[in-house]
Amino acid sequence: KAGVTQTPRYLIKTRGQQVTLSCSPISGHRSVSWYQQTPGQGLQFLFEYFSETQRNKGNFPGRFSGRQFSNSRSEMNVSTLELGDSALYLCASSPGTANSPLHFGNGTRLTVT
Amino acid sequence: AQTVTQSQPEMSVQEAETVTLSCTYDTSESDYYLFWYKQPPSRQMILVIRQEAYKQQNATENRFSVNFQKAAKSFSLKISDSQLGDAAMYFCAPMAGGGSNYKLTFGKGTLLTVNP
Repeated sequence: KAGVTQTPRYLIKTRGQQVTLSCSPISGHRSVSWYQQTPGQGLQFLFEYFSETQRNKGNFPGRFSGRQFSNSRSEMNVSTLELGDSALYLCASSPGTANSPLHFGNGTRLTVT
Repeated sequence: AQTVTQSQPEMSVQEAETVTLSCTYDTSESDYYLFWYKQPPSRQMILVIRQEAYKQQNATENRFSVNFQKAAKSFSLKISDSQLGDAAMYFCAPMAGGGSNYKLTFGKGTLLTVNP
């Protein structure tokens, strides 16, 4: 079974631009979660999508948004990029039940200059 | 909301020896689950072990075991017979919530070095 696939692996953008990250979950998984990882703040929860609906949301500004398609693939968009958005963005999928562990992708490393 | 404390930013262990990583958490939920993940330099987060809070028996997974103390809200990870491949950042992560609102919260992590 293929794992969680995130593309691209690396991105370099300049301040003010927008960016879209993609995540393909494990086949059969209906839940996709996104996390931001930085050295200072650690891993912070962005949001979770389940069956095309946002089910949970973290404390990030509205510049961070996402969506999920009918095939469970998910995209995350960040608009008006700031230097502080430089981070590793991790996507994780699961069947979506309470006791299901998350399965993570390799992440997208975003650098904002 | 959950909070997670990993009090050891860094730990080191000799190959073949045993090491214990500590974790305490706080949650107001009665139903929750606990996980340890590791993140090697390849940066992919890998599940190490999980524990259901309603189970009294401590989980084990080969060389990995936990010491779950529910009343103390403590969830430590023991790695026996440490191997070079165990070197990674280890994260403690409770998953709690209600209904469909379960969320995984990560601690700051413990960087484990394994010395040959």
